[in-house]
Amino acid sequence: GAVVSQHPSWVICKSGTSVKIECRSLDFQATTMFWYRQFPKQSLMLMATSNEGSKATYEQGVEKDKFLINHASLTLSTLTVTSAHPEDSSFYICSAQDRTNYGYTFGSGTRLTVV
Amino acid sequence: QQQVKQSPQSLIVQKGGISIINCAYENTAFDYFPWYQQFPGKGPALLIAIRPDVSEKKEGRFTISFNKSAKQFSLHIMDSQPGDSATYFCAASTTSGTYKYIFGTGTRLKVLA
Repeated sequence: GAVVSQHPSWVICKSGTSVKIECRSLDFQATTMFWYRQFPKQSLMLMATSNEGSKATYEQGVEKDKFLINHASLTLSTLTVTSAHPEDSSFYICSAQDRTNYGYTFGSGTRLTVV
Repeated sequence: QQQVKQSPQSLIVQKGGISIINCAYENTAFDYFPWYQQFPGKGPALLIAIRPDVSEKKEGRFTISFNKSAKQFSLHIMDSQPGDSATYFCAASTTSGTYKYIFGTGTRLKVLA
């Protein structure tokens, strides 16, 4: 089945630094990937839609200059949290669609802790 | 119009029992209804999904019941096991273009041994 690899699975960074999270579709090409943020015991909040070769589409209220998304190839999308602050600490998850079916496959998530 | 309401928020079931989680949607344009299972610290995994042309879909111990007129769908977990203890999310979307999931708020299921 479709596999989405997300790396790193967890990261701790200092306040003011930037962190990059990678999302790869391993066995299929994904023209579209999605980035979510999830707070403890809450649902998934869509941050942005990442389209290969074009600019990402951000959801209302998401700072595009803080959360930089790049989808440079059909198998890789990256999310960079710039000038991270403690309030950016969260669980970030990507997803991608294998066009052979309608379902989206999710990555394993990245736990970001900003200290 | 874009909301998906999920209930209950939490559920405790004895081993071997039936777990039932319900979702309701408003947007009649939705035509794809997946259920995801999420364990702590992991990403959601697709469990089972249904399209509105059928009223029920069964895969192993998991069954989706779909009521198009009521705009409701539910997940039934038969013979619930402790290993089923997780958070379950329903979702709804269209299937045209670049479609986004609208997620329910989640149900935390605990199956007692």
